[in-house]
Amino acid sequence: GDSVTQMEGPVTLSEEAFLTINCTYTATGYPSLFWYVQYPGEGLQLLLKATKADDKGSNKGFEATYRKETTSFHLEKGSVQVSDSAVYFCALSDQYKLSFGAGTTVTVRA
Amino acid sequence: DTGVSQNPRHKITKRGQNVTFRCDPISEHNRLYWYRQTLGQGPEFLTYFQNEAQLEKSRLLSDRFSAERPKGSFSTLEIQRTEQGDSAMYLCASSGGGYTEAFFGQGTRLTVV
Repeated sequence: GDSVTQMEGPVTLSEEAFLTINCTYTATGYPSLFWYVQYPGEGLQLLLKATKADDKGSNKGFEATYRKETTSFHLEKGSVQVSDSAVYFCALSDQYKLSFGAGTTVTVRA
Repeated sequence: DTGVSQNPRHKITKRGQNVTFRCDPISEHNRLYWYRQTLGQGPEFLTYFQNEAQLEKSRLLSDRFSAERPKGSFSTLEIQRTEQGDSAMYLCASSGGGYTEAFFGQGTRLTVV
């Protein structure tokens, strides 16, 4: 079945550092890909999405590109802030339900 | 606030008791989902409704679990004869209105003691 594998954490960074979280997927069809974020004490929020190959999703300085040839959807941010500390989940959707990775905890230190 | 609402936010119950959770989706969304999330893991799909019809159930959903969505509006998830392994965060999400992404509620944290 469909599955997502993402980089294990935790990841600890200093403010203004570059962040990358690797995500690869296995799917039989042509899924949509998502990054969700869970800030401390809050629910899951959609961070960005891409619905077809070569699409780039972006939001709040984060970017991810749907790479069909490498079945990847890596998340990147050029300069992180303390407020980016959260758990990040990569996910795919074939038609409706989501399959999530295990999540990567990111802590940004001032 | 027009987001997905879940109640209660926290529930502590004794093993063997029944519990029921409620989810109110975003009003124009016709799809509703239940997921379960345990510590250190991503959410796992449990079941899915389109309007009032339950279209898919995961094998994770044992016969002690039942979900309903009467009239295609709010949904309830009931767990009968709870076990300690049922302790988890239960998440509800909804989608629709032309959007592919799902919007999540804040979840109900169940602790079975």
